[in-house]
Amino acid sequence: EAGVAQSPRYKIIEKRQSVAFWCNPISGHATLYWYQQILGQGPKLLIQFQNNGVVDDSQLPKDRFSAERLKGVDSTLKIQPAKLEDSAVYLCASSLRLLAGNEETQYFGPGTRLLVL
Amino acid sequence: AQRVTQPEKLLSVFKGAPVELKCNYSYSGSPELFWYVQYSRQRLQLLLRHISRESIKGFTADLNKGETSFHLKKPFAQEEDSAMYYCALSGRGTYKYIFGTGTRLKVLA
Repeated sequence: EAGVAQSPRYKIIEKRQSVAFWCNPISGHATLYWYQQILGQGPKLLIQFQNNGVVDDSQLPKDRFSAERLKGVDSTLKIQPAKLEDSAVYLCASSLRLLAGNEETQYFGPGTRLLVL
Repeated sequence: AQRVTQPEKLLSVFKGAPVELKCNYSYSGSPELFWYVQYSRQRLQLLLRHISRESIKGFTADLNKGETSFHLKKPFAQEEDSAMYYCALSGRGTYKYIFGTGTRLKVLA
């Protein structure tokens, strides 16, 4: 079974530029998550999708971050414009389905490491 | 406030010694607790969850609601246990997911 795929693996941009990350979840997984992991910290959940609908985006900085999951499969996370503090690893995860309490196992991708100069 | 605290950034133990990675949480509702592990150059992966009451790779963790803790334990550490360990909490009936800051375990030969 192929795992969660993410691209690019690394990205370096200057502040105020835009950047987009792509995630392809495990086939058949209804739920997709985007996390931000700043160096020295644990992953922070930004947004959850159930199929192509947003379940929770309460921690997504909506003034500059956006995410979509068209057709309920692949997802993109965009930052526009980027700030220095956005430098982090962006992790995508998927699970078979969403249960309240998140008991479903999340499978993580390799992450995209973003450096904003 | 909802919070997961892992007080140790780094824990070094010798091979064969017991290991205890500490996790304390703050949550007003009914939490589900998890341990995740990230080995070098590998992806973050689920190690175990408290509702399963399972032992994975010799690790166990018991949820202590009185002390609001979910410490990860293993009686005899192996070198291959060296990794980054994250404690995580999810609120039952919610879709929140909170990770701790992680503890790096180094098992010395």
